[in-house]
Amino acid sequence: NAGVTQTPKFQVLKTGQSMTLQCAQDMNHNSMYWYRQDPGMGLRLIYYSASEGTTDKGEVPNGYNVSRLNKREFSLRLESAAPSQTSVYFCASSGISQPQHFGDGTRLSIL
Amino acid sequence: EDKVVQSPLSLVVHEGDTVTLNCSYEVTNFRSLLWYKQEKKAPTFLFMLTSSGIEKKSGRLSSILDKKELFSILNITATQTGDSAIYLCAVTRASGAGSYQLTFGKGTKLSVIP
Repeated sequence: NAGVTQTPKFQVLKTGQSMTLQCAQDMNHNSMYWYRQDPGMGLRLIYYSASEGTTDKGEVPNGYNVSRLNKREFSLRLESAAPSQTSVYFCASSGISQPQHFGDGTRLSIL
Repeated sequence: EDKVVQSPLSLVVHEGDTVTLNCSYEVTNFRSLLWYKQEKKAPTFLFMLTSSGIEKKSGRLSSILDKKELFSILNITATQTGDSAIYLCAVTRASGAGSYQLTFGKGTKLSVIP
């Protein structure tokens, strides 16, 4: 039972490069989420998708775009990476009124 | 703006001690409060609380919610080194189509020493 799978696990980018983080879930959940986690800041919501075909901004959406490709997959794109986007990124999914389940994260460094 | 404050931010105890972690919140259209444990990777779900005064238990861990005073506590009895982790508190409010946005606190880092 894979749950929430994120790829890649680690990535180093140069400033200005673009990158797409992939997330897939096999729990038939309607809702999917992207968070970033920074030291001393906790987890902050970037974007979420309540259901297939919809996406909405969270607390810190600037510099990111998302695509809900189908019910299973939700990707996060950095069009022009900046050092301030160095972080650990977590994808999560949930069923209706159910707790969110998280992937193992992508550690992203931007030089 | 939703707000979740956890205390203490860090805590060091000896094996066998009992600890209490605190979480206070301010949120519009509150739905639930969740506790997660984060070791090296993904946060893992512990409890979801929606009603005041009903204690949830899982082994040595328990949690309770007070919706009048807007706080929750997480208790861990007879702590073990495997309890060392960051404990995250989060609150949800409905955001359409059954999805629930989570607002997290900064976490409490618990270290249990032998």
